[in-house]
Amino acid sequence: QVTLKESGPVLVKPTETLTLTCTVSGFSLSNARMGVSWIRQPPGKALEWLAHIFSNDEKSYSTSLKSRLTISKDTSKSQVVLTMTNMDPVDTATYYCARIRTAYAYGMDVWGQGTTVTVSS
Amino acid sequence: DIQMTQSPSTLSASVGDRVTITCRASQSISSWLAWYQQKPGKAPKLLIYKASSLESGVPSRFSGSGSGTEFTLTISSLQPDDFATYYCQQYNSGGLTFGGGTKVEIK
Repeated sequence: QVTLKESGPVLVKPTETLTLTCTVSGFSLSNARMGVSWIRQPPGKALEWLAHIFSNDEKSYSTSLKSRLTISKDTSKSQVVLTMTNMDPVDTATYYCARIRTAYAYGMDVWGQGTTVTVSS
Repeated sequence: DIQMTQSPSTLSASVGDRVTITCRASQSISSWLAWYQQKPGKAPKLLIYKASSLESGVPSRFSGSGSGTEFTLTISSLQPDDFATYYCQQYNSGGLTFGGGTKVEIK
């Protein structure tokens, strides 16, 4: 069974750096044609893709957030880490990680439950 | 960046209705399109990938079509479990974007 689980702080202060971890099971981060994406959703709003990383360490970032994001993976720990710098209250959202598959035309077939992050002083 | 425009933003329908949601891309994306269903408080669920391929386990009343810049998601006979918000998502040159969502409500 493939699962993904997000973890990280519930509350961060403005200007701080957010670090989120996605721990995967049921598949390997070294598996070709599979990767992990991060997506967020502010309360009551639409989904927003943030970044993804593949087994060959290919990375891609949202154009609007690229300067603030870093994605990395630790294959041995089955973890993908996303950092977002200079957090602001508008970054308050539920953050999801999901498995992304090139065979699915970069569709995301398995999602974590999400973790809610509030940015407030 | 490629923009994805969904219409309508809200749709009121009854059980048994045929429902169609449209997604337009600001430039051609071939068939690099997926559709998701999301219920309140839950993660999105993949329904369709590559514009028209049905994800395993998804009921056959869901179908997708289109290529290039115009795509549709059709629910042939709306069921009570289908009242939810639907999103399209495109892939192009390393980046992904989602549409703004379509909320399907009970009429």
